[in-house]
Amino acid sequence: DAKTTQPPSMDCAEGRAANLPCNHSTISGNEYVYWYRQIHSQGPQYIIHGLKNNETNEMASLIITEDRKSSTLILPHATLRDTAVYYCIVRGDRGSTLGRLYFGRGTQLTVWP
Amino acid sequence: EAGVAQSPRYKIIEKRQSVAFWCNPISGHATLYWYQQILGQGPKLLIQFQNNGVVDDSQLPKDRFSAERLKGVDSTLKIQPAKLEDSAVYLCASSPLGPWTDSSSYNSPLHFGNGTRLTVT
Repeated sequence: DAKTTQPPSMDCAEGRAANLPCNHSTISGNEYVYWYRQIHSQGPQYIIHGLKNNETNEMASLIITEDRKSSTLILPHATLRDTAVYYCIVRGDRGSTLGRLYFGRGTQLTVWP
Repeated sequence: EAGVAQSPRYKIIEKRQSVAFWCNPISGHATLYWYQQILGQGPKLLIQFQNNGVVDDSQLPKDRFSAERLKGVDSTLKIQPAKLEDSAVYLCASSPLGPWTDSSSYNSPLHFGNGTRLTVT
């Protein structure tokens, strides 16, 4: 079952930063926060993941609060191609869930010109 | 590296007919997943394989759905007989996770194919 809460939709102007929030108040100490996105008619695409520290890659930055109960995905300069559904997922470890991903409904991000 | 391949891309069948989907994971990936995504919802896990063994099929409707992963590489998902509510996109994903994997590899992301869109009429 999904352990995250995300707003159903957001929009952002092209060229501006898109900040997508996620609440995961029941996250346990060994669970990671993963972000995927899904562009229409495609499979989910991995973006970034983190445990405690903030992470950055060529696609985005992930900011995790100190208590780990929430996080924010930042797309620094959104483009029209970033329009997609963004999923925040808490991923289990090698325990009972064996690293499975459980998706919620995600956030529909619309980037407008 | 080549991604996860799925076929067919689209399939339209009548209810009570049978259908099969095929998935070829990324080379060397030990773990394979099938997800069902109904329109407007996030993907729902159906079954997880590790090599050619089933790890979890608790969400698979076993009265009509079956899946296999012979030789621990390709996988097929079958529906027999199909119902209207089976209309969805069926996604396959793979990851390098295996029983021999060290803890760092549990952080390897899943890679998804583009899915098969099934319409049952």
